[in-house]
Amino acid sequence: DSGVTQTPKHLITATGQRVTLRCSPRSGDLSVYWYQQSLDQGLQFLIHYYNGEERAKGNILERFSAQQFPDLHSELNLSSLELGDSALYFCASNKQGGGAKNIQYFGAGTRLSVL
Amino acid sequence: DQQVKQNSPSLSVQEGRISILNCDYTNSMFDYFLWYKKYPAEGPTFLISISSIKDKNEDGRFTVFLNKSAKHLSLHIVPSHPGDSAVYFCAASAYSGGSNYKLTFGKGTLLTVNP
Repeated sequence: DSGVTQTPKHLITATGQRVTLRCSPRSGDLSVYWYQQSLDQGLQFLIHYYNGEERAKGNILERFSAQQFPDLHSELNLSSLELGDSALYFCASNKQGGGAKNIQYFGAGTRLSVL
Repeated sequence: DQQVKQNSPSLSVQEGRISILNCDYTNSMFDYFLWYKKYPAEGPTFLISISSIKDKNEDGRFTVFLNKSAKHLSLHIVPSHPGDSAVYFCAASAYSGGSNYKLTFGKGTLLTVNP
């Protein structure tokens, strides 16, 4: 158990809808990262939050947004969903920093199916 | 532009033999390298890492080798067990400003260890 909790585990929805994915980081970790893994793809970095502030954006669509709350949990909001958004979404956390602090600890993921 | 490449999508080895997983990178600013293991329906799990100031790091059956001049790293698993069958992701970290470090992942190699 990595200590990172993601809910829900599975989400099935229709095109055009909006969903929210939730992540609780490990105790003491201030950084939260979101990744998308599509079929035959690696882990695509979406966005990074540190202590409530957005720190970096990757390949995140404008239809997607995220936030990190004062209790450090984070939510990834996906709107106007398309079939191609079907993927595994992972959250990871760490304390941020160089060397071994680079190690990110991942949740079990949320599998999103857009029908 | 893929900065971290795992050119072998899959690898099959016999139980008890050595598994060698390879990873190439292009960004000379990467200074910390990590390997993650991922089982189906689970999130990636940190396995082993190496700093760019070293050329080898060993942890039990797992050894990571780094060749900076060739921009190449490899993960050796000796001996291989059927339970090692999983997708292995190579990741590299670079400083991205402030106190931020970004991980870039390869697409992964599916290792199958046959009994």
